Amino acid sequence: ETGVTQTPRHLVMGMTNKKSLKCEQHLGHNAMYWYKQSAKKPLELMFVYNFKEQTENNSVPSRFSPECPNSSHLFLHLHTLQPEDSALYLCASSHGGTAPYEQYFGPGTRLTVT
Amino acid sequence: KQEVTQIPAALSVPEGENLVLNCSFTDSAIYNLQWFRQDPGKGLTSLLLIQSSQREQTSGRLNASLDKSSGRSTLYIAASQPGDSATYLCAVRNTDKLIFGTGTRLQVFP
Repeated sequence: ETGVTQTPRHLVMGMTNKKSLKCEQHLGHNAMYWYKQSAKKPLELMFVYNFKEQTENNSVPSRFSPECPNSSHLFLHLHTLQPEDSALYLCASSHGGTAPYEQYFGPGTRLTVT
Repeated sequence: KQEVTQIPAALSVPEGENLVLNCSFTDSAIYNLQWFRQDPGKGLTSLLLIQSSQREQTSGRLNASLDKSSGRSTLYIAASQPGDSATYLCAVRNTDKLIFGTGTRLQVFP
């Protein structure tokens, strides 16, 4: 596989469930990102990891918990979500560091919270 | 706080037309500006990236310009095709963040 992959592509979960989203990049990058895209709103940055260290948490509720075990993998653990958390969750990667490198996006996970 | 606006929000044109999509941003202190394409329910595909020191970038039928001082960028699509139908997103890079606009939804009909 090449580029940035995300699994699952679609997820339906109840408010009491616990699930995880997975992102994997095959580009040799060292920075990874989670974005949320809600209907009729701009993409919102949620988390940034640079060389496996979290460098950005954009005031995201604690029911979203990211994990970056290595530079190639990024997870988003979900628990006790709300219906308003239904959205497309996009993962991206780029070269690491502080320079403004181009970000490459995965296909997204469409999450529906019932 | 950086804000990115895209006009129009939606556009429907016949095949063959030349198009201009607009993006404006409030803070001119940007590193770069990127145009993306998003197909329904899918991720983002990067089309063009313009560094802050550049004025334009071209790829095939696409040409993007940047006027940093006025806070504007345009994406020009020549000889549009039905396959160009998608949402086009503009994003500016401030420090370590990409700030996105809400997009222009384009439909090109045969």
